[in-house]
Amino acid sequence: EADIYQTPRYLVIGTGKKITLECSQTMGHDKMYWYQQDPGMELHLIHYSYGVNSTEKGDLSSESTVSRIRTEHFPLTLESARPSHTSQYLCASRGQGVGTQYFGPGTRLLVL
Amino acid sequence: GENVEQHPSTLSVQEGDSAVIKCTYSDSASNYFPWYKQELGKGPQLIIDIRSNVGEKKDQRIAVTLNKTAKHFSLHITETQPEDSAVYFCAATVTFSSGSARQLTFGSGTQLTVLP
Repeated sequence: EADIYQTPRYLVIGTGKKITLECSQTMGHDKMYWYQQDPGMELHLIHYSYGVNSTEKGDLSSESTVSRIRTEHFPLTLESARPSHTSQYLCASRGQGVGTQYFGPGTRLLVL
Repeated sequence: GENVEQHPSTLSVQEGDSAVIKCTYSDSASNYFPWYKQELGKGPQLIIDIRSNVGEKKDQRIAVTLNKTAKHFSLHITETQPEDSAVYFCAATVTFSSGSARQLTFGSGTQLTVLP
């Protein structure tokens, strides 16, 4: 079983607030990912990192930002949340030379 | 880049029947195909995967088949049970335009409902 954690699991905030979604993994994986999952189920890659100090934007444009200062930690930040940011955010990681991604439990965000 | 199409988007079966979910991919270079199961309120979990050097893989009631020539792969669940109800995602590897890394491209998901 994968050891990848996300906090908070649920978050309800008002428009304009700054929020940080936490993601951490204890497997020493160098690759980490953030996905946004809409109500229609589809997974959209918004950010990824291939190691410390490496971050890239994904296929879906997002107003969020990420950082990778430590291997095990990959937080996602929204500087000013809006109702359009309401979604589920999934974090994942992958080890070297392996195709499998391991997912965290997700953070369900509601912006009022 | 890679494109993965998944069908059907919803599937209802009677308990004990079989369920089949199909995916096609566009990039002939893809060589790794995992399947994930996402239960309500949880993140996707890997349930089975297949590499391009084999045509079929089984794990108890779950099997995956791969047709490299046609570029499609399928998930088969036999003797379905209510606990099989979930969203299932297929995925395939891709190579970035720089050729330096690979990432997974996911299908759009299938909501499977097993009726008791």
